[in-house]
Amino acid sequence: DADVTQTPRNRITKTGKRIMLECSQTKGHDRMYWYRQDPGLGLRLIYYSFDVKDINKGEISDGYSVSRQAQAKFSLSLESAIPNQTALYFCATSDLRENGNEQFFGPGTRLTVL
Amino acid sequence: SQQGEEDPQALSIQEGENATMNCSYKTSINNLQWYRQNSGRGLVHLILIRSNEREKHSGRLRVTLDTSKKSSSLLITASRAADTASYFCATHGYNKLIFGAGTRLAVHP
Repeated sequence: DADVTQTPRNRITKTGKRIMLECSQTKGHDRMYWYRQDPGLGLRLIYYSFDVKDINKGEISDGYSVSRQAQAKFSLSLESAIPNQTALYFCATSDLRENGNEQFFGPGTRLTVL
Repeated sequence: SQQGEEDPQALSIQEGENATMNCSYKTSINNLQWYRQNSGRGLVHLILIRSNEREKHSGRLRVTLDTSKKSSSLLITASRAADTASYFCATHGYNKLIFGAGTRLAVHP
């Protein structure tokens, strides 16, 4: 969905490096999410935010941190990357006013940690 | 842990055939959603069924929900090669979606 963008799209880094993944949205949604996808597994929730400065841990938050300084942006950081954080990362948004919490996904960031 | 589990993990059919995917879940839900993912891309929302609904249609898609059995099914009728993708169910409860591991569907011309 072009309304949710992620940068970078691909990143190769080394163990111990700090990495930041950015997500921006033009949908005006208040809720934003970061997921991780590994082969053979579905998406797992890392962190989510329902408003600016609101941060909530998801299923697998260890080793990650997030920042929500503006409604349109939600960034995910790996303070010290490790190889098992190699995965496909997705950002998603949803609208508080909409029943059901349908989520709109970005195109993903493929992260490889060597 | 993941809430939804899809069955089968992989499905291979010919164009024109119907494809049925099943999803089971563990806890109470507000609604259940189905998403599609083309290889390596973001997920796209297909259809949502609320906990008080039993069946819903959208084009060639039919979704059923049985809350007593905690299960749902997605039927794609008259499949096309372009339907080749992974399909995920996601349960909505406590303001979050929890995804299953998905069914990989291959539709052969």
